[in-house]
Amino acid sequence: EDQVTQSPEALRLQEGESSSLNCSYTVSGLRGLFWYRQDPGKGPEFLFTLYSAGEEKEKERLKATLTKKESFLHITAPKPEDSATYLCAVTSGGTSYGKLTFGQGTILTVHP
Amino acid sequence: EAQVTQNPRYLITVTGKKLTVTCSQNMNHEYMSWYRQDPGLGLRQIYYSMNVEVTDKGDVPEGYKVSRKEKRNFPLILESPSPNQTSLYFCATRVGGHQETQYFGPGTRLLVL
Repeated sequence: EDQVTQSPEALRLQEGESSSLNCSYTVSGLRGLFWYRQDPGKGPEFLFTLYSAGEEKEKERLKATLTKKESFLHITAPKPEDSATYLCAVTSGGTSYGKLTFGQGTILTVHP
Repeated sequence: EAQVTQNPRYLITVTGKKLTVTCSQNMNHEYMSWYRQDPGLGLRQIYYSMNVEVTDKGDVPEGYKVSRKEKRNFPLILESPSPNQTSLYFCATRVGGHQETQYFGPGTRLLVL
């Protein structure tokens, strides 16, 4: 059974204070790892897909990296508008391709 | 504009009264899925569909039914809702290829009394 654990549960940063969110996973045959941003009362918004260890993706102040056991979402010089819940999810290949397993998320608050 | 729509957005019902939450997409994606989101439990997959007439169980399918008769629609049916199905529900599509991407609907907040 696929498992995803995100840490920390909550993170408070000052504007401009860079940090990282962690997503540890256990999956038999990782096909893809996904990051999302979710604002209160809204549906998750897709950010990145990572497929193999060593891969990195960037978008504005966000950078996602992947190893064989975990992924990191690095936030550089965050702004208050980056405040949201960040979700990580994995999917494995083969007959389990359709299943998506999410972590519980990290609530990020960026203070001005 | 790429869109996943859900209706209704908010629903209060009573135990045992059958209900359907609709989901529709305008992107011609083959894959669609339903999730529920609960405090402390995160997002959990209920059912998914890889294509028309192809559906499969996710992690929490008990008490739910789905059908996929056409590509754009994927309704979620609660035949006899119970209070433990009170939750926030999301429909999503997924498109593969070089950069796999998912699109989520705005959510349906359900309260079962």
